[in-house]
Amino acid sequence: AQSVTQLGSHVSVSEGALVLLRCNYSSSVPPYLFWYVQYPNQGLQLLLKYTSAATLVKGINGFEAEFKKSETSFHLTKPSAHMSDAAEYFCAAMKNQGGKLIFGQGTELSVKP
Amino acid sequence: EAGVVQSPRYKIIEKKQPVAFWCNPISGHNTLYWYLQNLGQGPELLIRYENEEAVDDSQLPKDRFSAERLKGVDSTLKIQPAELGDSAVYLCASSWGQGGDQPQHFGDGTRLSIL
Repeated sequence: AQSVTQLGSHVSVSEGALVLLRCNYSSSVPPYLFWYVQYPNQGLQLLLKYTSAATLVKGINGFEAEFKKSETSFHLTKPSAHMSDAAEYFCAAMKNQGGKLIFGQGTELSVKP
Repeated sequence: EAGVVQSPRYKIIEKKQPVAFWCNPISGHNTLYWYLQNLGQGPELLIRYENEEAVDDSQLPKDRFSAERLKGVDSTLKIQPAELGDSAVYLCASSWGQGGDQPQHFGDGTRLSIL
């Protein structure tokens, strides 16, 4: 069965530092991949998605992610963290056109001043 | 455009009582999803609708959970009777189609607390 693993349930960075949130998927067929952000007491907001058009995907708020098939990874990065980036981040995968998103456990990002 | 609207935002009930959640998807979105999000975890799909048809309800505990999407627009999710373990956030999402190139848009969720 397809699964998504996010390494690190909590990541803390200083403001202005690089943000790196890790995500690995398990699938023999590269799925569609997504990163969502969730602020407290809110729903999930789409940051970016990979749909096989390009391996480096740019999203909103300065985030980007790189699809690496050889590593079955889809890590999320941002060059310079901002206080407003503090939130929960979820990686998700969808196999083919099934419509069902499989989410990772989430990574809570804290940004220190 | 207006986003996915869910109500109520919060609900507190005693165990064994019934409860219902309502979702209004983005206008024109024919696919609607209900997800369950336990504390500290990612959402898990409960049921997916294509228009008014439930096309994937394999994860819905049918002994106590039910859902409907009359006329293929709004949807309700019901729990009867509620159990302590049902305390969670219930998220509704919608999309135009079910493919991976059609992102799912989420509402703010209903936070359910069972006493």
